[in-house]
Amino acid sequence: QKEVEQNSGPLSVPEGAIASLNCTYSDRVSQSFFWYRQYSGKSPELIMSIYSNGDKEDGRFTAQLNKASQYVSLLIRDSQPSDSATYLCAVYGGATNKLIFGTGTLLAVQP
Amino acid sequence: GAGVSQSPSNKVTEKGKDVELRCDPISGHTALYWYRQSLGQGLEFLIYFQGNSAPDKSGLPSDRFSAERTGGSVSTLTIQRTQQEDSAVYLCASSPQGGYSTGELFFGEGSRLTVL
Repeated sequence: QKEVEQNSGPLSVPEGAIASLNCTYSDRVSQSFFWYRQYSGKSPELIMSIYSNGDKEDGRFTAQLNKASQYVSLLIRDSQPSDSATYLCAVYGGATNKLIFGTGTLLAVQP
Repeated sequence: GAGVSQSPSNKVTEKGKDVELRCDPISGHTALYWYRQSLGQGLEFLIYFQGNSAPDKSGLPSDRFSAERTGGSVSTLTIQRTQQEDSAVYLCASSPQGGYSTGELFFGEGSRLTVL
């Protein structure tokens, strides 16, 4: 089992819709959770962090964390074509004590 | 500079040759990380520096890989006797914190290595 798992996609949504990106992790004692966005040919950039169970909202982005289910998600409301990118889930803490990245989900927002 | 700078941006080499990849982190950032990203793969951790020391080099795939950091700043990742499976984008990141706890890593644009 991979430490951090994501569906590779592509996830295709129409402009204006809600995009839902999901991530599961294997280390139950993981402490911190992050979403990075990576445009094609570019480097990853941090867009959201979440540390406790529940929802965290920042503009059109909402991160959701459920530690009991070892599940973290990212919702993008009112999706725009400029949101088209690969979204990487990253998990910190636990036995590895390092930031572990998933393989990413490719999101395509159709105009 | 304003961001993490990596060079070269592209490197094509022949199998068996040695390569050096350079990373210049954001000024004042004490932590520096090397990852690599292959097509369709996530970011694979290679090594982490805090200052000039490497408390975690567990991700280096083999003894052909080595890295150093001098003056708490520039880092060099060296791959000896390159193999085709070394082909990937090598990403360097830095952070102002001493570890990953904030999760906020600032990445460079990467060095794309192609081994023929």
